Amino acid sequence: AQSVTQLDSQVPVFEEAPVELRCNYSSSVSVYLFWYVQYPNQGLQLLLKYLSGSTLVKGINGFEAEFNKSQTSFHLRKPSVHISDTAEYFCAVSDYGDKLIFGTGTRLQVFP
Amino acid sequence: DAGVIQSPRHEVTEMGQEVTLRCKPISGHNSLFWYRQTMMRGLELLIYFNNNVPIDDSGMPEDRFSAKMPNASFSTLKIQPSEPRDSAVYFCASGERGSNEKLFFGSGTQLSVL
Repeated sequence: AQSVTQLDSQVPVFEEAPVELRCNYSSSVSVYLFWYVQYPNQGLQLLLKYLSGSTLVKGINGFEAEFNKSQTSFHLRKPSVHISDTAEYFCAVSDYGDKLIFGTGTRLQVFP
Repeated sequence: DAGVIQSPRHEVTEMGQEVTLRCKPISGHNSLFWYRQTMMRGLELLIYFNNNVPIDDSGMPEDRFSAKMPNASFSTLKIQPSEPRDSAVYFCASGERGSNEKLFFGSGTQLSVL
């Protein structure tokens, strides 16, 4: 069975600084990987996904993530964050069977 | 399209009462998912449907929980009887071809069981 680990429950950062949110997964089969974002009192929205091909994936709002099969990681990065990036970020994994499993989330807090 | 619509937005009930949460997926989507979100356990997949058929309900906590999808445009999640530990935000999500494509989430139902 797949699982996702997000080691950082909270990440504080100043505006315009770079940020990396870590995600590690475990699975016995090939997987698809996702990052979703949740703004306060809203449902989740897809940021980016990795299905196949290039290991560097670019998403919305300037975010990108790199799939590293040897380290079973899919870390999310942004070179310069904005106040509006303050939200909860979820890494997720699915196999080919449609079941999407989420990590526990990382709260990104951007300070002015 | 109005997106995934969930109702009610908030539900406050007393322990032992029946609770029904509703979801209208995006038209044309053939997959529907129910998730529960709590501070302690994060986002848990409860059940998902493909073409109105339940595919995996292994995440349903216990027999008090049941879900139905009588047609492509409507699904319910029922808790009977409800307990305080069921208090959480319940999300419904739909997708065109399962979770490997983009999932669209509703705004959730905040359930409080007193």
